[in-house]
Amino acid sequence: KNQVEQSPQSLIILEGKNCTLQCNYTVSPFSNLRWYKQDTGRGPVSLTIMTFSENTKSNGRYTATLDADTKQSSLHITASQLSDSASYICVVSPYTGGFKTIFGAGTRLFVKA
Amino acid sequence: EPEVTQTPSHQVTQMGQEVILRCVPISNHLYFYWYRQILGQKVEFLVSFYNNEISEKSEIFDDQFSVERPDGSNFTLKIRSTKLEDSAMYFCASSQGTFNTGELFFGEGSRLTVL
Repeated sequence: KNQVEQSPQSLIILEGKNCTLQCNYTVSPFSNLRWYKQDTGRGPVSLTIMTFSENTKSNGRYTATLDADTKQSSLHITASQLSDSASYICVVSPYTGGFKTIFGAGTRLFVKA
Repeated sequence: EPEVTQTPSHQVTQMGQEVILRCVPISNHLYFYWYRQILGQKVEFLVSFYNNEISEKSEIFDDQFSVERPDGSNFTLKIRSTKLEDSAMYFCASSQGTFNTGELFFGEGSRLTVL
């Protein structure tokens, strides 16, 4: 069964610190893996998109890595800001030629001053 | 910056009533989607739409649901005979290319509360 598991469920860090969020998936074969940021009550916003052949992708202070062999991805946030407080969701698209996407449950990040 | 807009932002309805959620995708996008997020749970894919027809749908998207692009700008989700468990945030999204290749843009969501 295709699944996307994220850890930790929640995380509290101090402003200015770095953190790394994890995503493990069993989707195979897969087309691409995306990380989204979702503020409470808002729609998800795309951070990074990686195909199965890419190992890393950066977007400002966000850097995503992908290991297709171990089916793991991580999102590293550098120099966190209060506005980074949100849920971070890992989304995997199966390589079926279709549109079904599988969302992880997200990691809830709290950045404290 | 172009964005996906959804209306209403919040709708309260009685069980058994019909609800229509509306979305205006980004104008040059070709692929449209509806997702659902029950409070505290994962976002779930409902349906994708391209070239005026459903491309793919999930097991959730049964006969109670339907989608339509009534004109050149709107994309609607109709839920017939709503049930309590239909209470959720419904997100519309659009992309220029397929989800395999195109970036997906989400609207702010329509919160549906079924009483």
